[in-house]
Amino acid sequence: GAVVSQHPSWVICKSGTSVKIECRSLDFQATTMFWYRQFPKQSLMLMATSNEGSKATYEQGVEKDKFLINHASLTLSTLTVTSAHPEDSSFYICSARDEKGGYGYTFGSGTRLTVV
Amino acid sequence: AQSVTQPDIHITVSEGASLELRCNYSYGATPYLFWYVQSPGQGLQLLLKYFSGDTLVQGIKGFEAEFKRSQSSFNLRKPSVHWSDAAEYFCAVDGGTDKLIFGTGTRLQVFP
Repeated sequence: GAVVSQHPSWVICKSGTSVKIECRSLDFQATTMFWYRQFPKQSLMLMATSNEGSKATYEQGVEKDKFLINHASLTLSTLTVTSAHPEDSSFYICSARDEKGGYGYTFGSGTRLTVV
Repeated sequence: AQSVTQPDIHITVSEGASLELRCNYSYGATPYLFWYVQSPGQGLQLLLKYFSGDTLVQGIKGFEAEFKRSQSSFNLRKPSVHWSDAAEYFCAVDGGTDKLIFGTGTRLQVFP
């Protein structure tokens, strides 16, 4: 079945630094990927839709300059949290849509970001 | 406004008991419907999905869900719960906007 690999699974960084999270579709091509943020014991909040070869579409209230998304190939999307602050600490999850394999959404295992 | 509602924040059942998790949606047409399960600190695993056709959908791990258009519902069921089913369950909807919107989730606790 469709597999999405997300790396790293956890990261600790100092305040003011940037962190990059990778999301890869391993056995299918994904023209569209999605980035979610999840606070403890809460649901997933869609941050942005990542489109291969074009700019990402951000949800209302999400800072484009803070959360940089790049979707340079059909199998890789990256989320960079720039100038991270403690309030950016969260669980970030990516998802890819397998449009040829039954139109399902497959999720990565998530990245726990802690900013100290 | 489009929305997904999971009325039950937390459900506790005994092992071996039956389970039903509720999900209601608010969309103009029949959306694509999904149920996912999440263990602590993990990503999401797809249990089942409904696009069209038979309104009773079978999924993995013995789960099933029934789409009821008249009630705008897509409730998840399992006849006999196992301790390993304890997790967070999310109903999600793609209402034709090409993105997945999640309900608030239901935390399932299973007692032996």
